Amino acid sequence: AQSVTQLDSQVPVFEEAPVELRCNYSSSVSVYLFWYVQYPNQGLQLLLKYLSGSTLVKGINGFEAEFNKSQTSFHLRKPSVHISDTAEYFCAVSYHTSGTYKYIFGTGTRLKVLA
Amino acid sequence: GAVVSQHPSWVICKSGTSVKIECRSLDFQATTMFWYRQFPKQSLMLMATSNEGSKATYEQGVEKDKFLINHASLTLSTLTVTSAHPEDSSFYICSASPRTGVYEQYFGPGTRLTVT
Repeated sequence: AQSVTQLDSQVPVFEEAPVELRCNYSSSVSVYLFWYVQYPNQGLQLLLKYLSGSTLVKGINGFEAEFNKSQTSFHLRKPSVHISDTAEYFCAVSYHTSGTYKYIFGTGTRLKVLA
Repeated sequence: GAVVSQHPSWVICKSGTSVKIECRSLDFQATTMFWYRQFPKQSLMLMATSNEGSKATYEQGVEKDKFLINHASLTLSTLTVTSAHPEDSSFYICSASPRTGVYEQYFGPGTRLTVT
């Protein structure tokens, strides 16, 4: 079975400091990997995705993530955060099964940027 | 591009009534649409997957007679919560994919349903 684990439920960080949000997955089949951001009372916005190719993926708002197959990880990083980055971040995997694709989300990490 | 809208953004209804939520892909044709439910401070739970012109596929534990999904066109899917109860109160989010291969999903802004 496939699963996604976000190890930190909350991450407080000071403004302009770097941040890493951790995501590990478990899968017996090939997966596609995603990071989404959700602001209060809003839907999800795609930050970045890994489908294939280069393991370092750059996304919007200065975020990047690195796919590590051996460690089955897809951690999200930003070198310098802003107050506006305060939000909930979800890691997700997509995989093919029984003729269709499934999508599994992690439990989310609440990033709180402090002034 | 790839904008998905939901209507209404919030709705309050009385227990026992039904409420319909619309999900539209505004600038692309959505082969597949998904409906999720999100409880406060929790992750998204997939309720069902619908392909245009065919019956929705519901996830285990989701009552298909209670959560009616219709994907009548390539740009519109609806979720109807029938005979709503307070425990159905939640944040419902739809997403749409422009192709049957789900490595691209675009999410709507969500609908907050409160059943009194």
